[in-house]
Amino acid sequence: LAKTTQPISMDSYEGQEVNITCSHNNIATNDYITWYQQFPSQGPRFIIQGYKTKVTNEVASLFIPADRKSSTLSLPRVSLSDTAVYYCLVGPNWGKLQFGAGTQVVVTP
Amino acid sequence: NAGVMQNPRHLVRRRGQEARLRCSPMKGHSHVYWYRQLPEEGLKFMVYLQKENIIDESGMPKERFSAEFPKEGPSILRIQQVVRGDSAAYFCASSPPIGMTGRSYEQYFGPGTRLTVT
Repeated sequence: LAKTTQPISMDSYEGQEVNITCSHNNIATNDYITWYQQFPSQGPRFIIQGYKTKVTNEVASLFIPADRKSSTLSLPRVSLSDTAVYYCLVGPNWGKLQFGAGTQVVVTP
Repeated sequence: NAGVMQNPRHLVRRRGQEARLRCSPMKGHSHVYWYRQLPEEGLKFMVYLQKENIIDESGMPKERFSAEFPKEGPSILRIQQVVRGDSAAYFCASSPPIGMTGRSYEQYFGPGTRLTVT
């Protein structure tokens, strides 16, 4: 499974857009890029998954450049409830998930 | 449709005792995964099971840990002779059979069982 690197923490104010970039230089051809969100004392929750270009859903957007060596999760207009740890995962879209340390996002008023 | 259920939510065991953690997957899901999260760390994969089969146990410690997912009933993660280092949050996740949803193999996580070994 490809290793990922993402910032340890990010701070933001309510209403701002938060962009978290994840580096995955050794991503394999059959690997997908998936993001999960975890609140304290809860299990992770799937946010979004993509293979290439751009994916958007009701929660976030995922931007993937042509070389796929990085990706950016974009959270539009964050609120206090978006304070959580965000994990970038790279691997086939089945089987075990390999979580890194994640990015702690703190949203303040 | 109820989510993934885990019980107990909190479990306290003394060193040397056995811990049994239960996981009921979402309805229609036939794949179960167990992960462990130590304090201030990310989740670590332990084992991946389908009904009556262990598919991948590459993350399971070789001794004292076992897991099963019987034809009927919940999946069980069993830890024998617990030690203080086993104190952690244990999360179970489930997913539908490959191809059933027509999209990615998203895993749905339960609320976790917090094991404390005294």
